[in-house]
Amino acid sequence: GESVGLHLPTLSVQEGDNSIINCAYSNSASDYFIWYKQESGKGPQFIIDIRSNMDKRQGQRVTVLLNKTVKHLSLQIAATQPGDSAVYFCAERRGNMLTFGGGTRLMVKP
Amino acid sequence: GAVVSQHPSWVICKSGTSVKIECRSLDFQATTMFWYRQFPKQSLMLMATSNEGSKATYEQGVEKDKFLINHASLTLSTLTVTSAHPEDSSFYICSARAPRGTGELFFGEGSRLTVL
Repeated sequence: GESVGLHLPTLSVQEGDNSIINCAYSNSASDYFIWYKQESGKGPQFIIDIRSNMDKRQGQRVTVLLNKTVKHLSLQIAATQPGDSAVYFCAERRGNMLTFGGGTRLMVKP
Repeated sequence: GAVVSQHPSWVICKSGTSVKIECRSLDFQATTMFWYRQFPKQSLMLMATSNEGSKATYEQGVEKDKFLINHASLTLSTLTVTSAHPEDSSFYICSARAPRGTGELFFGEGSRLTVL
């Protein structure tokens, strides 16, 4: 069935560098995408979202890019900090259903 | 933002015990809440959609008699794992949709169930 997935299971970056986490989706009917951050032993935390009628959305230190042509979603974190170390999930929404991708672990090296 | 609270955070029980997990929306009303299950190093898997005042909608493969969901009020949904066994050990997370139809989901902190 159609699903959301991630290219890289683990991403290791140097503190201060920019991080890019990627996500592929296959359902063109999805109209809303969200990135969540999950720290160990905690529930997911909303980071940023984007609607399908947008290509880019910026938050504080984070940017989400949506490429509907290739069904690709990315999360960019500027000046990555140790506190950014976590697992990041993309999710797509279709109607009342939210489906999560497999997750990428971001490790920040001091 | 809106706050969703889960209780307990962690529960350890013997095999055969039934365990109830509560999910509360603290500062808003939630007609719909969602229950997820997460195994270590894996993504969240939707178990069921909890609807206030009506029966929950379960995802395929989820045993409704095993995982009882009650959404008795607009601020509380409960998940009861009946006759829990070690294979039920997992991290259970609930979420509620933000008010005013913004679409954003707020998650609880999760409840870790360990069945011995």
